[in-house]
Amino acid sequence: NAGVMQNPRHLVRRRGQEARLRCSPMKGHSHVYWYRQLPEEGLKFMVYLQKENIIDESGMPKERFSAEFPKEGPSILRIQQVVRGDSAAYFCASSQASLRGPNTEAFFGQGTRLTVV
Amino acid sequence: KNQVEQSPQSLIILEGKNCTLQCNYTVSPFSNLRWYKQDTGRGPVSLTIMTFSENTKSNGRYTATLDADTKQSSLHITASQLSDSASYICVVTDHYYGNNRLAFGKGNQVVVIP
Repeated sequence: NAGVMQNPRHLVRRRGQEARLRCSPMKGHSHVYWYRQLPEEGLKFMVYLQKENIIDESGMPKERFSAEFPKEGPSILRIQQVVRGDSAAYFCASSQASLRGPNTEAFFGQGTRLTVV
Repeated sequence: KNQVEQSPQSLIILEGKNCTLQCNYTVSPFSNLRWYKQDTGRGPVSLTIMTFSENTKSNGRYTATLDADTKQSSLHITASQLSDSASYICVVTDHYYGNNRLAFGKGNQVVVIP
């Protein structure tokens, strides 16, 4: 059972370009979460999705950022017109059920390191 | 103010020694508390999960404790190995949002030296 797969691992974009980050959850997992990590900082929640639905996007900037989790295919985090401040590691996690469950594991991918030049 | 505070920020320990990492949180109510290990350049890997009614949970050489009254948790590493060098992150599931938001601490950076 492959873990959470993120690609690309590293992404370099010029200011103003678009960045697309992909996340394939673990098999059987329908809950997907995106987190952003700046250097020396903890992971910060961005968005929580279930298949075809955005459940909570309150941690995601309203401008330029969007996320989707289609019925078929990976979840996509899209950043339009990137700026230098978008440079960070973006982690995706998946779970089989709600994280409020007492023992529900959240499995993380290896992250995508976005560098905006 | 971060809802999850960890201390010490970093520490260096000799191989074979024990160490204890501290976590204080203000998230309330919360569903569960997790400890993750994050190697440099990698994603976090789960070590333990505890509900508010649990006091301790072990995973090999890792033992986590939880005091829900004082909102404190600790992670004890026994007989440290070089491979234990990593960031250890305390994470609280934020029940307030009624869903699935994880609140992360900044991590305890542990370096094990031979």
